[in-house]
Amino acid sequence: GAVVSQHPSWVICKSGTSVKIECRSLDFQATTMFWYRQFPKQSLMLMATSNEGSKATYEQGVEKDKFLINHASLTLSTLTVTSAHPEDSSFYICSARGGLAGDFYEQYFGPGTRLTVT
Amino acid sequence: RKEVEQDPGPFNVPEGATVAFNCTYSNSASQSFFWYRQDCRKEPKLLMSVYSSGNEDGRFTAQLNRASQYISLLIRDSKLSDSATYLCVVRILTGGGNKLTFGTGTQLKVEL
Repeated sequence: GAVVSQHPSWVICKSGTSVKIECRSLDFQATTMFWYRQFPKQSLMLMATSNEGSKATYEQGVEKDKFLINHASLTLSTLTVTSAHPEDSSFYICSARGGLAGDFYEQYFGPGTRLTVT
Repeated sequence: RKEVEQDPGPFNVPEGATVAFNCTYSNSASQSFFWYRQDCRKEPKLLMSVYSSGNEDGRFTAQLNRASQYISLLIRDSKLSDSATYLCVVRILTGGGNKLTFGTGTQLKVEL
């Protein structure tokens, strides 16, 4: 299957700082990228969907000014957690898919980034 | 009510056992159905898609009942390496696109 990378794999930061997470599709063009968050013993929750060159669509309850998403190219999307707080500590996973918004192409998941805010 | 519901487990079974997981979904706009496997602190990985006619992949058999909005996964001859969390996932049509919705997962522990 296709490969999606995430960087960093884990990060520890102080409360109030911002953290940027990168998601790259290595061998295909990702027209759509998804960002998920997973708290311990909970399911993956979709935070936002981004289409290359467009503004991200955020799920209900996700603050777009706190979680900044940029999808400037077909192989790179970034998630910036601004002014991070301990409650933002979580496992953040990106997923990438080719095709158009309504297509049923398979989604490929990155290995995830574990964020700990102290 | 959660869109995708699963029994969280854990299911502790001996090696060689047959184990079944169930899942129900509530959104009638659900179009496609999958089982993913997630190991501790790792990303989910697609195990198999689920079709109405039922489908099998080696020791794994998946079934879908659209009328009951029910999905199942059967694992035969469990191996130690099958220990993981199994996520029931549905693809739901949204305005202008589609998205995956995940269940909370069922934890399986296969023991000697």
